[in-house]
Amino acid sequence: SQQGEEDPQALSIQEGENATMNCSYKTSINNLQWYRQNSGRGLVHLILIRSNEREKHSGRLRVTLDTSKKSSSLLITASRAADTASYFCATGSNSGYSTLTFGKGTMLLVSP
Amino acid sequence: SQTIHQWPATLVQPVGSPLSLECTVEGTSNPNLYWYRQAAGRGLQLLFYSVGIGQISSEVPQNLSASRPQDRQFILSSKKLLLSDSGFYLCACQRAAYGYTFGSGTRLTVV
Repeated sequence: SQQGEEDPQALSIQEGENATMNCSYKTSINNLQWYRQNSGRGLVHLILIRSNEREKHSGRLRVTLDTSKKSSSLLITASRAADTASYFCATGSNSGYSTLTFGKGTMLLVSP
Repeated sequence: SQTIHQWPATLVQPVGSPLSLECTVEGTSNPNLYWYRQAAGRGLQLLFYSVGIGQISSEVPQNLSASRPQDRQFILSSKKLLLSDSGFYLCACQRAAYGYTFGSGTRLTVV
């Protein structure tokens, strides 16, 4: 079953604008991760935030985590056409083995 | 750093034919390995994972099986493909605390 649910399903912006994607989940997590997938390709790991962290930065990416609301957001600042891709959140559980549960993704289109 | 090799990139197979997709990992030893399937416009569904040679856990009962004959080799198989087996198959390796590394995927179309 799907754990993370991204919102919106699709987002279209102009180059230079910021893009914000949200992720909600249902059960307790150990960590939350964001991935990017270019069309027809594998997923690329972007950033991991642990359940005891509230915010994390990596280059133009900013991720927040609110465990009380069971939600996370991914902000891409000063977007570029090359950022066009699908973005997925994935949650890691507190169970003994490590598997990730992925949402359905947000499709981001950045127009020049 | 870890690298995952996955092949073939695309595959068209008739219904009822067998399937074998292979995934090999470089740059690490004793990795956790995963097979995911992605239907068109959908998220990823975990099919199998393995924490060691010969150790396979199945998340979803279906027409597929997996094997791990060597530490860095993970194979997805089927004896008889169904139309519903079509999809994008991704192999992944866990990178300790840094998330997963994914292969480039195999696009399977069952006709």
